[in-house]
Amino acid sequence: NAGVTQTPKFQVLKTGQSMTLQCAQDMNHEYMSWYRQDPGMGLRLIHYSVGAGITDQGEVPNGYNVSRSTTEDFPLRLLSAAPSQTSVYFCASSYSPSGGREQYFGPGTRLTVT
Amino acid sequence: GDSVTQMEGPVTLSEEAFLTINCTYTATGYPSLFWYVQYPGEGLQLLLKATKADDKGSNKGFEATYRKETTSFHLEKGSVQVSDSAVYFCALSTGAQKLVFGQGTRLTINP
Repeated sequence: NAGVTQTPKFQVLKTGQSMTLQCAQDMNHEYMSWYRQDPGMGLRLIHYSVGAGITDQGEVPNGYNVSRSTTEDFPLRLLSAAPSQTSVYFCASSYSPSGGREQYFGPGTRLTVT
Repeated sequence: GDSVTQMEGPVTLSEEAFLTINCTYTATGYPSLFWYVQYPGEGLQLLLKATKADDKGSNKGFEATYRKETTSFHLEKGSVQVSDSAVYFCALSTGAQKLVFGQGTRLTINP
């Protein structure tokens, strides 16, 4: 049981490039989400999904796209990278959308945009 | 909107000292409250949680009590160890699993 996995661990992009951050979970969790972590700001929700085929925006969705074609995978796409997207990105999953459930986090992807 | 305010860090203590990290929240409705911990180079993991007023969450010697009257969820530990050095995040959820995090408090324990 690998839990939540993320690839890559580190990435450097040039401004304007696009890329996809991968996230997968093997716990059959319905709920998945993406957060970004910036110094002094905690984690902020980018996008989330309550099941395959269903996604919605979080607090800071601009510049990012998501899709959920399977229960296991929830990739995050950067359409045209900007220096403001330099951050550490965490994927998380949970058994159900109801509040109070523990969320399981991946190890993170550290992204630098130059 | 919903928000969480944590004690400013960083916090540095000696081993076996008493720890308190303050956390207060603003939310509509009745949130669930969480403490997550992030060890160096790792993702976040749940430390403890409380889902209703007056509940006490506890784990690994850490405790926090959900205080509705003061809208607080302070984290405490009676005797910290070097291995407790990490970043601690207070968070709330008001349904639909959208976590709102505080800014995090970096804790360093010196031997």
